[in-house]
Amino acid sequence: KQEVTQIPAALSVPEGENLVLNCSFTDSAIYNLQWFRQDPGKGLTSLLLIQSSQREQTSGRLNASLDKSSGRSTLYIAASQPGDSATYLCASEDSGGYNKLIFGAGTRLAVHP
Amino acid sequence: DTAVSQTPKYLVTQMGNDKSIKCEQNLGHDTMYWYKQDSKKFLKIMFSYNNKELIINETVPNRFSPKSPDKAHLNLHINSLELGDSAVYFCASSQANTQYFGPGTRLTVL
Repeated sequence: KQEVTQIPAALSVPEGENLVLNCSFTDSAIYNLQWFRQDPGKGLTSLLLIQSSQREQTSGRLNASLDKSSGRSTLYIAASQPGDSATYLCASEDSGGYNKLIFGAGTRLAVHP
Repeated sequence: DTAVSQTPKYLVTQMGNDKSIKCEQNLGHDTMYWYKQDSKKFLKIMFSYNNKELIINETVPNRFSPKSPDKAHLNLHINSLELGDSAVYFCASSQANTQYFGPGTRLTVL
């Protein structure tokens, strides 16, 4: 049974710092790995999706990497801004189809001016 | 022009009551989902429908019954509500691998 873990649970950084959020999963037979952002009181917004055959994906200041063999993914945020403050969730999609996502508990990020 | 909408946004009710949450998506997606996010913020899938057909049914009490009248709607009916049902319930839809989430319904059972 797939388990997804995210560390740290919370992170507070000054504006401008580069930071890394970590995600690990127990079953490497994944279809893809996804990163989402959740703002307080709102739904999730998809940030990046890495297929199992890929090593990384980039979108603006965000870069996500995937190492299936070690069961790890990282989300790198460059030059953090206060608007990046949110909870970041990673989720693995298993290879059984039906887009079933298994989520980690998230990392709550606060970027202060 | 909301992509995935849910009603109501907040729901406060007594134990033992029956309640429904509605979800609609205007993205033309074939697949819709219900997730539960508990007080510890863990988000877990409950159900998934593809073209009105149930394809994922996790270990959920049978007091929870999803209903999909058409591809654009997936409603969640909950019978005999219990304290442990208090959570935020999210609806989502997808085409290919990207899922689009609604704003959530915060259910509080007293």
